[in-house]
Amino acid sequence: DAKTTQPTSMDCAEGRAANLPCNHSTISGNEYVYWYRQIHSQGPQYIIHGLKNNETNEMASLIITEDRKSSTLILPHATLRDTAVYYCIVRFVDDYKLSFGAGTTVTVRA
Amino acid sequence: DAEITQSPRHKITETGRQVTLACHQTWNHNNMFWYRQDLGHGLRLIHYSYGVQDTNKGEVSDGYSVSRSNTEDLPLTLESAASSQTSVYFCASSESGVNRETQYFGPGTRLLVL
Repeated sequence: DAKTTQPTSMDCAEGRAANLPCNHSTISGNEYVYWYRQIHSQGPQYIIHGLKNNETNEMASLIITEDRKSSTLILPHATLRDTAVYYCIVRFVDDYKLSFGAGTTVTVRA
Repeated sequence: DAEITQSPRHKITETGRQVTLACHQTWNHNNMFWYRQDLGHGLRLIHYSYGVQDTNKGEVSDGYSVSRSNTEDLPLTLESAASSQTSVYFCASSESGVNRETQYFGPGTRLLVL
């Protein structure tokens, strides 16, 4: 699986959009980009995933660059409950296991 | 509602003892996974299964074993517990097929090996 690089930490103001970058420069054409988050002490929670196109759901938006070497997770209106570690993961289309890195610790401040 | 449960939620054991952590899901998912998470680190895959009687080793499988006798359960056994296996253990499950592979995680089991 391709390796991902994320910033170690970032702060965000409550009510503002949070933009979380992820670099996956070695991604191949049959690898998804997945985002999960882990709120303190809980099991990880799925957020969103995409292959080539941008995706949006009720939680977030995923923007994937045209060359697919990087992506950005957007939390449109961050709340205090969005404080968590966010993991960007690249996964082969036909391989269901995930490889977690260190992630980005996001702190939403009032 | 369908769910994934882990038991026990907390466990203290002694070095050398055999320990089994339970994972049960009611979604009828084919795929099940065990991860461990150490303080300040991401999750690492221990073992996984893509169906009944199927088991596979992950990146940190030494000292652990699993068996899959039915769809709902994937128990994780520590054959002879070591202090290095003190960790938080998460179980997860997912369904096979395109766009149905989201992993759902259990609440975790905190294991302390003394």
